[in-house]
Amino acid sequence: DTGVSQDPRHKITKRGQNVTFRCDPISEHNRLYWYRQTLGQGPEFLTYFQNEAQLEKSRLLSDRFSAERPKGSFSTLEIQRTEQGDSAMYLCASSGYEQYFGPGTRLTVT
Amino acid sequence: AQSVTQLDSQVPVFEEAPVELRCNYSSSVSVYLFWYVQYPNQGLQLLLKYLSGSTLVKGINGFEAEFNKSQTSFHLRKPSVHISDTAEYFCAVSDQGGTASKLTFGTGTRLQVTL
Repeated sequence: DTGVSQDPRHKITKRGQNVTFRCDPISEHNRLYWYRQTLGQGPEFLTYFQNEAQLEKSRLLSDRFSAERPKGSFSTLEIQRTEQGDSAMYLCASSGYEQYFGPGTRLTVT
Repeated sequence: AQSVTQLDSQVPVFEEAPVELRCNYSSSVSVYLFWYVQYPNQGLQLLLKYLSGSTLVKGINGFEAEFNKSQTSFHLRKPSVHISDTAEYFCAVSDQGGTASKLTFGTGTRLQVTL
């Protein structure tokens, strides 16, 4: 399978803990995106990488959120001091000419 | 900035009946348009896209959409739905000129197909 993969698929954490998600894009794609989807809503853009450079961040991405893409391959999204409002599906997408989405990581903060 | 409006949050339809899911967008610049489908607990799968050329776009699974610039619409249609089409459908736009090409999504339409 050469699609976008994300790990873990599900994460349950207690408020105040740190979590990290990983995204492996389609190998030939140099663009990588993170989106957040809350219940009953469409995905909302969080941040974007061109190779290893983070070129845009949404205002949704508070200081507790950090994303990296070392060497322009896989990417990680870390949330520090999680809050209940962080509970959502976190989607990763990579693109050449169009975006292909991974299965998402569902985060539940208790 | 762009925005997308999907007026119908839910659309119930009987199997083998036709369906139309509505999408209207707002943008000050030219856009690309997309429809994605999301099955429960899964990511999004691209159904079809409009980049340029013919305003009638055909996608996977028998879906098609028509771009109407004057009405700023991109409605999704299928002449005969199947139970397996039950899913959430999202309309999205991206800026043609921006280097990021991030997608702006609507709130989604839940298509419920019953026997």
